[in-house]
Order: sequence, then structure tokens, then C-alpha cells
Amino acid sequence: FMLTQPHSVSESPGRTVTISCTRSSGSIASNYVQWYQQRPGSAPTPMIYEDSQRPSGVPDRFSGSIDSSSNSASLTISGLKTEDEADYYCQSYDFSNSWVFGGGTKLTVL
Amino acid sequence: EVQLVQSGAEVKKPGESLRISCKGSGYSFISSLISWVRQTPGKGLELMGRIDPSDSYTSYSPSFQGHVTISADKSTSTAYLHWGSLKASDSAMYYCARLRPEGDYATDYWGQGTLVTVSS
Repeated sequence: FMLTQPHSVSESPGRTVTISCTRSSGSIASNYVQWYQQRPGSAPTPMIYEDSQRPSGVPDRFSGSIDSSSNSASLTISGLKTEDEADYYCQSYDFSNSWVFGGGTKLTVL
Repeated sequence: EVQLVQSGAEVKKPGESLRISCKGSGYSFISSLISWVRQTPGKGLELMGRIDPSDSYTSYSPSFQGHVTISADKSTSTAYLHWGSLKASDSAMYYCARLRPEGDYATDYWGQGTLVTVSS
């Protein structure tokens, strides 16, 4: 299966943005979804695991959810800050535990 | 503090061999699996494989099986990614990442990355 993300999204500081990740086949609820933030020149940083769990140290402005009706996962960032500007990737896995990554979404905060 | 520190950037020629490393600290190295992830502009992020440092059991993604070897030395808390014969298409950024205890489908800590350039 594939995970499809929008190429880019933009929003103003202080606002809320949602990034989607749509699974092409099979149920989004079948396998957990993770989200990563990657700033230029840096390694990916886990922001959400198991659909909606935040690792310690990740601000509660970041939240994750899944929607079976649209077969998609979402990463929502509230109270946007300029430092949130980055690429965001979703990731899940298949029956053989091979990971599948989305193509990434570039978030611009302007 | 948990850290994964990777070896430095490499420039190699096609056909050469290479081993890059990922040294863990701040935790019990044998308690968590380590994965290797490749990132390229064209294909994005790809899981290459995983290793259990406690027994060196490895699993590889189909795309990488037979082309790379993942190993670990628990005495030095270091995982390795090895190529026997590099191709230009191996040029990429490579990351090691520790897998979460909840399951080997998610990570919690990543190395800083090793840039590999293969060019004649």
C-alpha cells in the first residue's frame, strides 16, 4: 500500500494546521501510524507514535488521529510557531512489518 | 541521555566497500532493536532493515536484501551497515534509529545521519 500526503501546506503563526496521510489500500486502523518532523539538515524526529501517542518532550500542540471513513491519518499542529516549519512524514507498516513512509509534506509558517 | 552517534560522511567509488557505524549510549544497547533508514530525494525515506543487538538477529527489507549487511557489536554498543560493492545509486543519507519498546514499527531516537556519496 502507499501513504499519500499533500506536498505542501502553509498557515500563519498561532493558527492550526492539519496534515493528512491517506492509505491507498487496507484499513488505516490495521497498523499504527507514526509521524516525524524533519527540519533542514537534521534527522527525522518522532512526533507521534501509535496513531496518537506523543513521545516525551513533544509539545501537546501536536496531536495525531486516524479516520476510518477517509482511511487516513492526520497530524494536527495548533498554535503554530515559526519553529514548526519543517517537512512532516507519516509512516506505517504492512503485514510483513515492512515500513511504508509517506512522501512528506512541507509545512510553511508565514 | 540516549544518543546514537553515527560515523562521518564518506566519498567512495563504485565497486568499493564501505562500513558505516552507529554508536549507542545512555541506555542498555542490547535492550532495543536498531534500524537503518535510507533517505534520498527521489525515493524519500526507506527502511533498510533491523537488528537485535542482543543476538544479532537481522531482518531486511526486500529492496535491500543481499546488497547490504547489518551487524552489531554489543561489546562496543555499535551497529554497522556494510556494503561489499557500492553503486552510484547507493548515494544517500543513512540514518540509524532505535526502535521503541512497544513494537518494532516505531522509533524513538535517531542518529544524526551519515552522508554517503558514490561517484567515479
